[in-house]
Amino acid sequence: EAQVTQNPRYLITVTGKKLTVTCSQNMNHEYMSWYRQDPGLGLRQIYYSMNVEVTDKGDVPEGYKVSRKEKRNFPLILESPSPNQTSLYFCASSFTGVYGYTFGSGTRLTVV
Amino acid sequence: GQQVMQIPQYQHVQEGEDFTTYCNSSTTLSNIQWYKQRPGGHPVFLIQLVKSGEVKKQKRLTFQFGEAKKNSSLHITATQTTDVGTYFCAGSNDYKLSFGAGTTVTVRA
Repeated sequence: EAQVTQNPRYLITVTGKKLTVTCSQNMNHEYMSWYRQDPGLGLRQIYYSMNVEVTDKGDVPEGYKVSRKEKRNFPLILESPSPNQTSLYFCASSFTGVYGYTFGSGTRLTVV
Repeated sequence: GQQVMQIPQYQHVQEGEDFTTYCNSSTTLSNIQWYKQRPGGHPVFLIQLVKSGEVKKQKRLTFQFGEAKKNSSLHITATQTTDVGTYFCAGSNDYKLSFGAGTTVTVRA
């Protein structure tokens, strides 16, 4: 089944403790992206990647890092999480970045 | 940067009625996409519009892209309980997809 898989689905952590949210897609998509969703703000893009080793900042990149060492994986790294990063995070992929995105099931992160 | 505004934020609809949600961009878009997110779920791609003035239909859903490629609308006829959820428009330019804040639809049976 074609899908984007994120892990974990839920995560509660403490301020300053580094964490990684994994994202993997099995559709051979070139383009991958991370979004955060907050009430009333819709989905805001954090980082995106147009291909292996090519990443770029979205609209809200502060406090996040990403890497794209393989086409299928695009992990989101929070080096020192803070409470304002409490949010629902979605990974998405697209064949070209121009056509419709396939979203993962989401990761609900709480930073206390 | 590119901003996509969507109205209304909430839409309460009587089952069987029609409604429309609107999307406006501050810049000209190469294409616009629409997604639906059910409560507790993730966004699911519905459709993409590329051409100026384009109109596409999916059963009871009609999507339009404005002549200037800066606005779009989604019209749902004869609303059903299965239409509950949040509808997002997303404008695309230079491989960046910017989402509106969404219209959350509730249906009164």
